[in-house]
Amino acid sequence: DADVTQTPRNRITKTGKRIMLECSQTKGHDRMYWYRQDPGLGLQLIYYSFDVKDINKGEISDGYSVSRQAQAKFSLSLESAIPNQTALYFCATSGGLESDTQYFGPGTRLTVL
Amino acid sequence: GQNIDQPTEMTATEGAIVQINCTYQTSGFNGLFWYQQHAGEAPTFLSYNVLDGLEEKGRFSSFLSRSKGYSYLLLKELQMKDSASYLCAVLDSNYQLIWGAGTKLIIKP
Repeated sequence: DADVTQTPRNRITKTGKRIMLECSQTKGHDRMYWYRQDPGLGLQLIYYSFDVKDINKGEISDGYSVSRQAQAKFSLSLESAIPNQTALYFCATSGGLESDTQYFGPGTRLTVL
Repeated sequence: GQNIDQPTEMTATEGAIVQINCTYQTSGFNGLFWYQQHAGEAPTFLSYNVLDGLEEKGRFSSFLSRSKGYSYLLLKELQMKDSASYLCAVLDSNYQLIWGAGTKLIIKP
């Protein structure tokens, strides 16, 4: 079984809809991250969490919110989706002995029409 | 500002050697990572350098010069499956990863 899972893997939605992307991990890592990736651009950090009670904004948090429901679960919400949020979204985790190495989930391809 | 530069695209021949360069300007430095990403898939960890010098791991090696703000990833005995994007990322003073846009490597038979 994969260590970091994301659901859904693909989603098509309409402008104005609320969307939630979920991430779960079995690596036992404390830190979790949400990134978006657009063609030709580097990974951009949306939010990150170093433990259940610690949530921090990344470089592009506007239009997004997150919830860390448990050490193993970190969800990303788009309250009112817009077309320029169409992108590939990745969840990542880090922690343990290799505390700074991030391990990624398979990604969610989101299309906002 | 923080900046990571790497070539957009490179082409190499199966069986050959290729070097992918990365230069960086960041607020602080706590290590440099290389990841491999096949199209539409997740990035996967390749290497981590925090001290100057060469780290070898099988067919892949990574080099770091902190004084020059420079790293390279060296891929030997190229295989078709090495066709992918290679992402350079620097851990800054706040322990945040700053990502380059990636280098798309095309392997030709």
